[in-house]
Amino acid sequence: GAVVSQHPSWVICKSGTSVKIECRSLDFQATTMFWYRQFPKQSLMLMATSNEGSKATYEQGVEKDKFLINHASLTLSTLTVTSAHPEDSSFYICSARGVGRATYNEQFFGPGTRLTVL
Amino acid sequence: AQSVSQHNHHVILSEAASLELGCNYSYGGTVNLFWYVQYPGQHLQLLLKYFSGDPLVKGIKGFEAEFIKSKFSFNLRKPSVQWSDTAEYFCAVTRNTGGFKTIFGAGTRLFVKA
Repeated sequence: GAVVSQHPSWVICKSGTSVKIECRSLDFQATTMFWYRQFPKQSLMLMATSNEGSKATYEQGVEKDKFLINHASLTLSTLTVTSAHPEDSSFYICSARGVGRATYNEQFFGPGTRLTVL
Repeated sequence: AQSVSQHNHHVILSEAASLELGCNYSYGGTVNLFWYVQYPGQHLQLLLKYFSGDPLVKGIKGFEAEFIKSKFSFNLRKPSVQWSDTAEYFCAVTRNTGGFKTIFGAGTRLFVKA
């Protein structure tokens, strides 16, 4: 139980284009989803927290207009990297937290999406 | 500000050696504690977690961790490592008060020599 998927698993795009990454909780309802970014050989850095039906809360230094987050349902959150540039190339990881006893106190991580911007 | 410190950035061990990876956090409230492993090219996997109760927690693959509240520590241990334990290990701390938020340590890269 408590499986989180991400799509796509990897994406290559041209500079200036936008890329959408989906995060889904497959077998539980995720009231809160988190988006992280991981640069090579570095730790996970929290980008934003999104609660279903409300605006995401961004961490300091994360541009909300560049990284658009939508959490329209209890099982889906999307991250759109707008006007991507090579410096946005990274590994993007989502996680989800549910409401039930089994899913409330921890996050369940997706497999990540590797974005390469040419 | 809340932070998680992992003291060792790189650790090299021979097979069968014992492992201890340090993790300290700075937050005075109630926390949940986690250790994750990331094998080369793969995604995060949960090794073990502590919420409450027995401060000695056993996880998968022979790993264990001990929560010492007075030291704000949650060190990871394994009595005998294997080559397949080569990976990066992340300590993470989640606070539940003032908003649910998880902070990750910088990670420790473990290389086990066969």
